[in-house]
Amino acid sequence: GAVVSQHPSRVICKSGTSVKIECRSLDFQATTMFWYRQFPKQSLMLMATSNEGSKATYEQGVEKDKFLINHASLTLSTLTVTSAHPEDSSFYICSARRGGNEKLFFGSGTQLSVL
Amino acid sequence: GENVEQHPSTLSVQEGDSAVIKCTYSDSASNYFPWYKQELGKGPQLIIDIRSNVGEKKDQRIAVTLNKTAKHFSLHITETQPEDSAVYFCAAFFLNQAGTALIFGKGTTLSVSS
Repeated sequence: GAVVSQHPSRVICKSGTSVKIECRSLDFQATTMFWYRQFPKQSLMLMATSNEGSKATYEQGVEKDKFLINHASLTLSTLTVTSAHPEDSSFYICSARRGGNEKLFFGSGTQLSVL
Repeated sequence: GENVEQHPSTLSVQEGDSAVIKCTYSDSASNYFPWYKQELGKGPQLIIDIRSNVGEKKDQRIAVTLNKTAKHFSLHITETQPEDSAVYFCAAFFLNQAGTALIFGKGTTLSVSS
């Protein structure tokens, strides 16, 4: 149980375009989802916390107009990178938490490459 | 702000040896400490976790110890195998504006040679 599906696994896009990444909890209802960003050989940096039905809370330094997060249902959260630039190229990973349980389960990540 | 320090950054051991990775955290209110294993190009996988009301937890070859007074916790892997080679991250829960969030250490690259 506790499977988190993330797709696409890899996306290449042109500079200036927008990219949407989906994160689904397959066998549980995720009241909270988190989006992380990871550069090569570095740690996971929290971008935002998303509670179902409410606006996402962004970490300091993360542009909310650039990284649009939607958590419209208990099983789906999306991250849209708007007007992507090469510096947005990174590995993006979502995670989901079930109710009050502390355990976080992670998706398999999305490697974004902006040309 | 909240911080999780992890050491060492790289660790090389021979198959069958033990490996120990140590972490410290800054917020004394943190009460949940998971460890994740990440293979190249994949998302982190939870391997073991511990809550602040216990001092040690073991699952086969993996164990975690917690010293809440000193604010540090450690991962112990015994009888290491080549398939244990990966990046390991410790993490701790912190309170943020949205509730609680998991903050990660910088990771330890474990290499097990046969």
